[in-house]
Amino acid sequence: DAGITQSPRHKVTETGTPVTLRCHQTENHRYMYWYRQDPGHGLRLIHYSYGVKDTDKGEVSDGYSVSRSKTEDFLLTLESATSSQTSVYFCAISPNTDTQYFGPGTRLTVL
Amino acid sequence: GENVEQHPSTLSVQEGDSAVIKCTYSDSASNYFPWYKQELGKGPQLIIDIRSNVGEKKDQRIAVTLNKTAKHFSLHITETQPEDSAVYFCAAKAGTALIFGKGTTLSVSS
Repeated sequence: DAGITQSPRHKVTETGTPVTLRCHQTENHRYMYWYRQDPGHGLRLIHYSYGVKDTDKGEVSDGYSVSRSKTEDFLLTLESATSSQTSVYFCAISPNTDTQYFGPGTRLTVL
Repeated sequence: GENVEQHPSTLSVQEGDSAVIKCTYSDSASNYFPWYKQELGKGPQLIIDIRSNVGEKKDQRIAVTLNKTAKHFSLHITETQPEDSAVYFCAAKAGTALIFGKGTTLSVSS
């Protein structure tokens, strides 16, 4: 998985609780992305980062925030989880905004 | 914004046959088109990509073709093997984002 780890790999939480997912890379790539994957929707971009402390919104950013304080770490936070945020979350990294390499994913269930 | 349509949604072939998956895109400014393979429980794996200044690209049993005029691109897998069974996604790059198709489940039976 191109030097990308995601933690946790599985999480079950309750509606209204905050959740933070972590993406860690060892490739020193500049660009990092968070996607969610849902049946019937494919992969959709939540947020991305083009450098330390530089982030921007994607297609489905409502209810999510991100932070990147170091090149190697990109955090995705659900401030108050809802059942509609039950999904599989993938982090991706890229050296050049084109070629993206994906991590193993985090399966999140919000009850 | 960009929209990517992928067909078929499922494809079953016999081992040794060829498989073709097709995608169309809407934004004529899109200039990068990757294909990903996703096995059950894993993240998508980049298998081949093509840029808008190239019409065809091959890598062993896998090839991708691009028709910019018609705004469609295709993945061709020859001599399919059971280990080719997976979900395949196409994508098109519009601005800074990759827009993905909804995927094709390929089943190769021996």
